[in-house]
Amino acid sequence: DTEVTQTPKHLVMGMTNKKSLKCEQHMGHRAMYWYKQKAKKPPELMFVYSYEKLSINESVPSRFSPECPNSSLLNLHLHALQPEDSALYLCASSQDEEIGGYTFGSGTRLTVV
Amino acid sequence: GQNIDQPTEMTATEGAIVQINCTYQTSGFNGLFWYQQHAGEAPTFLSYNVLDGLEEKGRFSSFLSRSKGYSYLLLKELQMKDSASYLCAVKDSNYQLIWGAGTKLIIKP
Repeated sequence: DTEVTQTPKHLVMGMTNKKSLKCEQHMGHRAMYWYKQKAKKPPELMFVYSYEKLSINESVPSRFSPECPNSSLLNLHLHALQPEDSALYLCASSQDEEIGGYTFGSGTRLTVV
Repeated sequence: GQNIDQPTEMTATEGAIVQINCTYQTSGFNGLFWYQQHAGEAPTFLSYNVLDGLEEKGRFSSFLSRSKGYSYLLLKELQMKDSASYLCAVKDSNYQLIWGAGTKLIIKP
């Protein structure tokens, strides 16, 4: 299995909703990442988990809350989002933070209304 | 500061060759990556260079010169499906991936 699987593929949520994005990989990778990407811009790093511990939080607002239940799963919990948070949310994994390139999931297209 | 420069947009003809350049200034260097991204889709890995020289993989090749802070991605025998954005990214001394803004490649028949 050489894939990173993200669900859902599309999500529309209101500003008062709570939702979660899910990411799964079975490549034995020990680093997992959440990125946010706006149209015509490069991916913007949000969080890094290394060996199931939060390694990097790029000053992301608290309405985004990551969780790493185990080495294969990564969640992003969303609460009280703003319309400007609408974007493509990408999960990626790598062998570890130092080794290997990133394998990306197909992303979740999030629209906040 | 850290900076990666690549052209915003390039146009090429089907069947031709195109070279996309990338220059970088980063705090340390632990490898350079090229990714392809079709509109609305996730980036897909194309190549990785950590030593100087040319890496060839089918129709795609990537070159690196660390002393010049320079890389290029060479695409041969262009096909319409190669129309996409091409992202250059460098791993810095903290192993963080620094991304260029991407080059939108338009292929014309």
